[in-house]
Amino acid sequence: GDSVTQTEGLVTLTKGLPVMLNCTYQTTYSPFLFWYVQHLNEAPKLLLKSSTDNKRTEHQGFYATLHKSSSSFHLQKSSVQLSDSALYFCALSGSNTNKVVFGTGTRLQVLP
Amino acid sequence: NAGVIQTPRHKVTGKGQEATLWCEPISGHSAVFWYRQTIVQGLEFLTYFRNQAPIDDSGMPKERFSAQMPNQSHSTLKIQSTQPQDSAVYLCASSLVGFSNERLFFGHGTKLSVL
Repeated sequence: GDSVTQTEGLVTLTKGLPVMLNCTYQTTYSPFLFWYVQHLNEAPKLLLKSSTDNKRTEHQGFYATLHKSSSSFHLQKSSVQLSDSALYFCALSGSNTNKVVFGTGTRLQVLP
Repeated sequence: NAGVIQTPRHKVTGKGQEATLWCEPISGHSAVFWYRQTIVQGLEFLTYFRNQAPIDDSGMPKERFSAQMPNQSHSTLKIQSTQPQDSAVYLCASSLVGFSNERLFFGHGTKLSVL
């Protein structure tokens, strides 16, 4: 079945540094990939999404490129801020039922 | 628009008791998803309705979990004979029609604690 893998459980960085959060996926269907962000005591909300191969998508300073050849959709930002501290989930909609499956999440902790 | 509403926000049950969780999707949304959130598993897919019909329940533990959507304005997730391992945050989300490219709108979740 469809699955999403996020390899990092916790990423800790000093503000101003670049970050990349890894996401790989498995599906036999045409994939639609998402990144959701969940701040403390809040609901997850969409950060960005894509289904176009090799095209960069951006939102709020974050960007990601779907690479179907490597089944990856890594999230990047060139300079993290304290307010970026949150839980980040990669998600996939790829099945014939359009259910959305999520990875285990990566907690990003930005230090002053 | 109040967003997705989940009640209660917190529920404490004793082992073996039943728990019913409620979700009110955004008005006009016809797709409703249920997830279970834990630190270890992240967001686990449980089940998904479209136009009140169950579409995919492949994530539901078969024996004690059930979900219904009796009308377009609410869905329920029922857990019978709750066990400590059921303790988690249960999240409900809705989307407009359930297409693969649609964003999900999440509620704040129900935190279930089984003692």
